[in-house]
Amino acid sequence: KAGVTQTPRYLIKTRGQQVTLSCSPISGHRSVSWYQQTPGQGLQFLFEYFSETQRNKGNFPGRFSGRQFSNSRSEMNVSTLELGDSALYLCASSFVSSYNSPLHFGNGTRLTVT
Amino acid sequence: GENVEQHPSTLSVQEGDSAVIKCTYSDSASNYFPWYKQELGKGPQLIIDIRSNVGEKKDQRIAVTLNKTAKHFSLHITETQPEDSAVYFCAASLTENYGGSQGNLIFGKGTKLSVKP
Repeated sequence: KAGVTQTPRYLIKTRGQQVTLSCSPISGHRSVSWYQQTPGQGLQFLFEYFSETQRNKGNFPGRFSGRQFSNSRSEMNVSTLELGDSALYLCASSFVSSYNSPLHFGNGTRLTVT
Repeated sequence: GENVEQHPSTLSVQEGDSAVIKCTYSDSASNYFPWYKQELGKGPQLIIDIRSNVGEKKDQRIAVTLNKTAKHFSLHITETQPEDSAVYFCAASLTENYGGSQGNLIFGKGTKLSVKP
């Protein structure tokens, strides 16, 4: 069974631009969560989607948004990029809600903002 | 909110030795505790998990123990090998109706394990 696939693997953007990251979950998984990983802050929760509905949202500004499609694929968007948005963005999927079922991560998208 | 403390932040062992990483959590309602291994350039990979109705779980050289009374759980790696070198994260679940801004899993800050040949 294929794992969680994230595209692209690397992105370089300049301040003020916007970016869209894509995630394809494991087949059959309906929950998709997004995390931001930085050396100083560790893994920080962005949001979780389940059956196209946002269930939880982390403490990130409104510039960070996401959505989930009917096939469970998910995208996240960051508008008006700032230098501090440089990070590894990880997508993870689970069969049902991530609170009690294994969460499987992709290899992430490395975003660099210059 | 829930908090997960992980120690140590770095750990260096000789090949063949054992390694132990410890985590404590604050939410007594947490009932699911996964461990992840993250190698350079990759996402975290689930290596073992334990639920609150079990005190210990073992998978080959890896074991996890859980003490719900003390609210701590530990990862034990025996007969370490160079390929065990990675960053390890523990996590604790929140109750489903508590998730909110922290999500459903709270992660520790990670332990960088180095196994010297």
